[in-house]
Amino acid sequence: EVQLVESGGGLVQPGGSLRLSCAASGFSFSDHFMDWVRQAPGKGLEWVGRIRNEINGYTTEYAASVKGRFTISRDDSKNSLFLQMNSLKIEDTAVYFCAREWDSWGQGTLVTVSS
Amino acid sequence: SYVLTQPPSVSEAPGKTATITCGGDNIGTKSVHWYQQKAGQAPVLVIDYDTNRPSGVPERFSGSNSGNTATLTIARVEAGDEADYYCQVWDSSSEQYVFGTGTKVTVL
Repeated sequence: EVQLVESGGGLVQPGGSLRLSCAASGFSFSDHFMDWVRQAPGKGLEWVGRIRNEINGYTTEYAASVKGRFTISRDDSKNSLFLQMNSLKIEDTAVYFCAREWDSWGQGTLVTVSS
Repeated sequence: SYVLTQPPSVSEAPGKTATITCGGDNIGTKSVHWYQQKAGQAPVLVIDYDTNRPSGVPERFSGSNSGNTATLTIARVEAGDEADYYCQVWDSSSEQYVFGTGTKVTVL
């Protein structure tokens, strides 16, 4: 069974940093592209970014709203996906989901940016 | 940037057909995915590549895509179909995924 479990969310002040993790199991993690998606409270879904697999050079794409502030990485040896978030803004407050090529999603982790 | 527009809400009686539209410039040239998100839960893929239904998704769910509108159709709607539904495409010009504005489906 495919499982994706996010962790690392919490309360952070504006301008601060946070690193989210997504632990994957039940499939060959290294074969797949992985994405981060977020959802602000009461709002719709917003794509954050993608990291491709090794065959595709681990290349990344980011939403314009986070480019230059967020970095996606992965550790295939640990079946883990990461989202490093720097220079956080109040508008980054959201539940952050990781997803495997859209067919499997984690339950999300809440990030609250507030002073 | 590319914009996908959905109606905020759709309401239908049980047993009827619910139709959710997703409007975008020449969306018919893109591949559309559809997601169902129930309250407090993660999204679930219900249609990918315009018309494909992933394993485990009821046959009552179907999709189409042409011109400037993609459509998700839920036949014989049930109380368990109440959820928010989102369309999604890859915009190659900006190299970003884009989600639609979302549609809340209510079963009367």
